[in-house]
Formats: sequence, C-alpha cells, structure tokens
Amino acid sequence: AQSVTQLDSHVSVSEGTPVLLRCNYSSSYSPSLFWYVQHPNKGLQLLLKYTSAATLVKGINGFEAEFKKSETSFHLTKPSAHMSDAAEYFCVVSSHSGGSNYKLTFGKGTLLTVNP
Amino acid sequence: DAGITQSPRHKVTETGTPVTLRCHQTENHRYMYWYRQDPGHGLRLIHYSYGVKDTDKGEVSDGYSVSRSKTEDFLLTLESATSSQTSVYFCAISRGFRGRSGTEAFFGQGTRLTVV
Repeated sequence: AQSVTQLDSHVSVSEGTPVLLRCNYSSSYSPSLFWYVQHPNKGLQLLLKYTSAATLVKGINGFEAEFKKSETSFHLTKPSAHMSDAAEYFCVVSSHSGGSNYKLTFGKGTLLTVNP
Repeated sequence: DAGITQSPRHKVTETGTPVTLRCHQTENHRYMYWYRQDPGHGLRLIHYSYGVKDTDKGEVSDGYSVSRSKTEDFLLTLESATSSQTSVYFCAISRGFRGRSGTEAFFGQGTRLTVV
C-alpha cells in the first residue's frame, strides 16, 4: 500500500520570499515521487520527479525537492516566490510491487497563495 | 504536450442516465487511468488499465465501469449517474515502470461533469 500526506492544505507567502510545501509518503516498495502543479481551471503539469537517482531534484520554474528516505519526506521548495506560482500543488507517489499494478497516488493538495 | 484528448470537455446530465467519457491517446503508453478531482480530496483513482482489455479498480470505483478495446482508447461509463458523481474527471497515461524507476503520468485537460 502507498499513501501521501501533504501537511498543509494552504500556504500563503509574500512575493520574493521562500516557498516550502511539505509532503510525507508511505510506500511498501522503493517509491518514485513527483510534484505536479495545477493552475486555476487548468490541467496538471509535472514540476519534477525523483526516481532513485540524485536525492536533490531540480524542476521547472526554479522549484526543487529533496528526497529523504529516513524521514519519508519529499518537500518542495523555491527560494523566491513569484506571483505566477500561485496554484495548487500535488505530491504524488508511485510504486511497483510486481505484475501490472503501476499506480500513482495523490496527496490532497496544497493551495499556494502569493501576496504582492 | 503528450497526446491525450478527453471528450466531452463539459457535460450536464440528469440523474439516472448513463454517461460515457472518452480518453484517446496517441503516445502508445501502456497504462491509462481515470481520476476524479473534488475539492479537499485531490485526485482519486477510479479505474486504470494496463493493456487492451486489462483493467482494475481504483479507490473510488463504485458506480463506474471502464473498457479498453484498443491501446489508444479508454472509456469511463457512469452506469446510472448520481449527483455525487458531479466532479472533474481526468484521464492520464503512463509508460509505467522502467528499469528500477517509475515514470510520470501525463494528464488530459479534464471533463467537467454535472449531474442534475
């Protein structure tokens, strides 16, 4: 079984300040982890992914995330928020236990608000 | 952008009627998924497919059925629509597991379904 917990349903920051969106996961097998972003009334776009290579992963638009196995965490960060970062962010875990059961499990999302 | 097309994009239907949503891909990916998105719940997996005529249930499969008769098409049917099935539905595709790592999913633009 696998699950994802996004620790904050809403994060509010000022433009130019750092962003931290927290994600913890649970997986019975070696996980792959992803962050997706969804702007209002839009589809989902992949920000970055961890797939057992480097633990610090860089994504698009200045975002990065660090995989910490000991803490079962995959927090998303950005040094300086921009107004265009306002969106909902989803942490996603996938794992494979053999056979044909490749599934991706979503967290409930974190809404990021950026104040001018 | 990955070649995924959902149809229709918007639909209003009456309680008790059957509804079919279509997902079409041009990427030849093995896995196809149907998710529903509701406020506060993130995306929840309804059903997924790992090949032609091979499907399995997700976490919220009651009241839904699926079919995949061709690699490129994955249909979601609401057998008798209820108001609780008012939601935004997303189709996704993925190559699944590659080597030791999972791969990301690519999403369609979504179908907004309203059951009145």
